[in-house]
Amino acid sequence: RKEVEQDPGPFNVPEGATVAFNCTYSNSASQSFFWYRQDCRKEPKLLMSVYSSGNEDGRFTAQLNRASQYISLLIRDSKLSDSATYLCVLYTGGFKTIFGAGTRLFVKA
Amino acid sequence: DAMVIQNPRYQVTQFGKPVTLSCSQTLNHNVMYWYQQKSSQAPKLLFHYYDKDFNNEADTPDNFQSRRPNTSFCFLDIRSPGLGDAAMYLCATSREGDSEQYFGPGTRLTVT
Repeated sequence: RKEVEQDPGPFNVPEGATVAFNCTYSNSASQSFFWYRQDCRKEPKLLMSVYSSGNEDGRFTAQLNRASQYISLLIRDSKLSDSATYLCVLYTGGFKTIFGAGTRLFVKA
Repeated sequence: DAMVIQNPRYQVTQFGKPVTLSCSQTLNHNVMYWYQQKSSQAPKLLFHYYDKDFNNEADTPDNFQSRRPNTSFCFLDIRSPGLGDAAMYLCATSREGDSEQYFGPGTRLTVT
């Protein structure tokens, strides 16, 4: 089993739609969780950190469920500019950071 | 204001010809990482430096080496590139091991 698993998609949604991504992880000792965004042929950039209490940043909401070992990202009112690959990232300690392969999102007019 | 800079952005090398990729940072971060990313795959950590302490991932081939002469610079040396080493190489920095990582724009390596 992979340490981090994501649905590769692609998710094709119209503008204004709400879309949710899930990411499951196998290492129960994972300490920190992040969502990164990566545009085509560009570097990953931090979208948001994920906390047990959940956190929201504008149209984006992230949740962590430690018991079930998954994190989620919800995007509301999708924009064309949200089209990208969303990477689930875990820090497991000792400078070990594990990236998921990403979920591709296409938002269409 | 560029924070993590990688040079060159595109590198073409011949099979077996050594190549060096460079990374510099203006963030004064303790940790510098090198990742390899192939198309539609996750970035794969090759190694990292915490200050001057080097840590190689267990599955990183011996063909890949790194140097960090000072806080600002880090180099990735590929001693004998093979066709399978063609990829995007990403440099990243973080203040500590568990904090946000800042990535450079990457160097896309082609091996002919």
